[in-house]
Amino acid sequence: QKEVEQNSGPLSVPEGAIASLNCTYSDRGSQSFFWYRQYSGKSPELIMSIYSNGDKEDGRFTAQLNKASQYVSLLIRDSQPSDSATYLCAVWEAAGNKLTFGGGTRVLVKP
Amino acid sequence: KAGVTQTPRYLIKTRGQQVTLSCSPISGHRSVSWYQQTPGQGLQFLFEYFSETQRNKGNFPGRFSGRQFSNSRSEMNVSTLELGDSALYLCASSLQASSYEQYFGPGTRLTVT
Repeated sequence: QKEVEQNSGPLSVPEGAIASLNCTYSDRGSQSFFWYRQYSGKSPELIMSIYSNGDKEDGRFTAQLNKASQYVSLLIRDSQPSDSATYLCAVWEAAGNKLTFGGGTRVLVKP
Repeated sequence: KAGVTQTPRYLIKTRGQQVTLSCSPISGHRSVSWYQQTPGQGLQFLFEYFSETQRNKGNFPGRFSGRQFSNSRSEMNVSTLELGDSALYLCASSLQASSYEQYFGPGTRLTVT
């Protein structure tokens, strides 16, 4: 079983809609969670970090964390074609003392 | 502030050769982590260096090694290259060891023929 799981997609959303991405993790001791955006042929870019249960908003992005359910999500509001990318969920594993990535969810925003 | 830089950006090697990749972290960042990214396995952690010491290592064979210099620049070396080593190698810098927020460089695309 992978330690950080994401639906690979593609997640197709119309322009202006909300894109909802999900991520589950196995290490109950994890305390820090991140979302990276990776455009094709480029390196990952950190877009959100979340450490406490609940929601954290930054512009059009909202990260949601539920440690009891070992679940973290990312909402992209008012999706734009420029949001088309692969979104990687990353979890800081206390046990392994390393950042572990999910396989990524590919998002396609259609005009 | 300049970002993370990696050299070279592209590299083609043949099986059995060795390769050295370089990474310069963001100014003031003291930790460098290396990752391998392939379509099949995704992003996988190789190792982390802080203050010239390897702090953690991923599940890779001993052919993969690295080091860090006093100016925080880091190199990774892969010896006896195999076809399966073809990948995008990314380094990420962070302020402190085991720091949560890591910032990636553009990567080195290695092709082994």
